[in-house]
Amino acid sequence: DQQVKQNSPSLSVQEGRISILNCDYTNSMFDYFLWYKKYPAEGPTFLISISSIKDKNEDGRFTVFLNKSAKHLSLHIVPSQPGDSAVYFCAASVSAGKSTFGDGTTLTVKP
Amino acid sequence: EAGVAQSPRYKIIEKRQSVAFWCNPISGHATLYWYQQILGQGPKLLIQFQNNGVVDDSQLPKDRFSAERLKGVDSTLKIQPAKLEDSAVYLCASSQKQGFTEAFFGQGTRLTVV
Repeated sequence: DQQVKQNSPSLSVQEGRISILNCDYTNSMFDYFLWYKKYPAEGPTFLISISSIKDKNEDGRFTVFLNKSAKHLSLHIVPSQPGDSAVYFCAASVSAGKSTFGDGTTLTVKP
Repeated sequence: EAGVAQSPRYKIIEKRQSVAFWCNPISGHATLYWYQQILGQGPKLLIQFQNNGVVDDSQLPKDRFSAERLKGVDSTLKIQPAKLEDSAVYLCASSQKQGFTEAFFGQGTRLTVV
């Protein structure tokens, strides 16, 4: 039973446009959510997080939205840049403990 | 600040052989994690240490996998004997606090079992 799902394996957007990556979860106990970015042959790097007490968190070009009733979160990247091309993982945890990861979405930003 | 160091980067072994991976976390980070990432999937937690004590090893296949953290710093993950399905990238991560907030990952060890 996969508790964190990223239903889109890949996404392609034009440079300068918005990228929206989606993530759904099933465990209502999850209260802390993170996004990680991974380049080939490197480990994942932390991007942004959000606690369940918020519905939005912003950091520069990156914004994460949380819809608890729908058990859905999304990562918005505006404007998208070619250097944003990577695999993006959504992760969820209970009280910032053990994190459960989705299978990732490969983002390609075309110049 | 030095990052999480892992070695080796790549390893190819035959099934039924044994293999060990090494991880040196960021200095001062009390929490250390080992993850297994199979191609096309997200990382799956194998074991979590807080200092040199095990916090969570519920998903570690204990009949063949073992891990230790010496003096609350370096850690080794061992597989003995390896199976074909163990082919994956093994990621080590560390964080300053017990929670997973902003954990830092190493580059990983890519294991191929043939």
